[in-house]
Amino acid sequence: AQSVAQPEDQVNVAEGNPLTVKCTYSVSGNPYLFWYVQYPNRGLQFLLKYITGDNLVKGSYGFEAEFNKSQTSFHLKKPSALVSDSALYFCAVLNSGNTPLVFGKGTRLSVIA
Amino acid sequence: SQTIHQWPATLVQPVGSPLSLECTVEGTSNPNLYWYRQAAGRGLQLLFYSVGIGQISSEVPQNLSASRPQDRQFILSSKKLLLSDSGFYLCAWSVLGRSTGNTIYFGEGSWLTVV
Repeated sequence: AQSVAQPEDQVNVAEGNPLTVKCTYSVSGNPYLFWYVQYPNRGLQFLLKYITGDNLVKGSYGFEAEFNKSQTSFHLKKPSALVSDSALYFCAVLNSGNTPLVFGKGTRLSVIA
Repeated sequence: SQTIHQWPATLVQPVGSPLSLECTVEGTSNPNLYWYRQAAGRGLQLLFYSVGIGQISSEVPQNLSASRPQDRQFILSSKKLLLSDSGFYLCAWSVLGRSTGNTIYFGEGSWLTVV
């Protein structure tokens, strides 16, 4: 079975500082990994994904994530946080095949001016 | 490009009344379609997914049902709503591919309040 964990319910960071939102996963084979962002009262927006290749994946709005196979992690990062980055972030994993993504519980990011 | 439409955006319904939420996708064919529910602004609960017309997989037993009458149409229904059915309902679609990896794209959601 596949699963994903987001160990932090809430992350607070000052504007201009780097941010990290953590995600670890568990799958039996090679994972497909995803990050989504949700702003209040909106649907989830796709940020980035790792399928194969370079372990550092760059996505929308200046976000990036690093796939670490040995640590089974896929942490979301941004070098300099903006107040507008405040939102709910979801990590998701897919093992293989035509099956739905498995989502983490979400991490609420608050960027303070 | 592909777009997803979901309606109504907001709905207030009395307990015991029926429900119908509709979702359509444009710009792609034979998509996978999904209904999720999100309570209290946190985790997502997969309710139903469909890989083709008339093919519905139910993830959570409850008083909701889903139907896919056309390739790009997905409907969430209930005959009698419960208070616990209140929440934010999200429709989504995906197409499995080597480069897409079944990336899911979401609609804007429907807020359901059962009173």
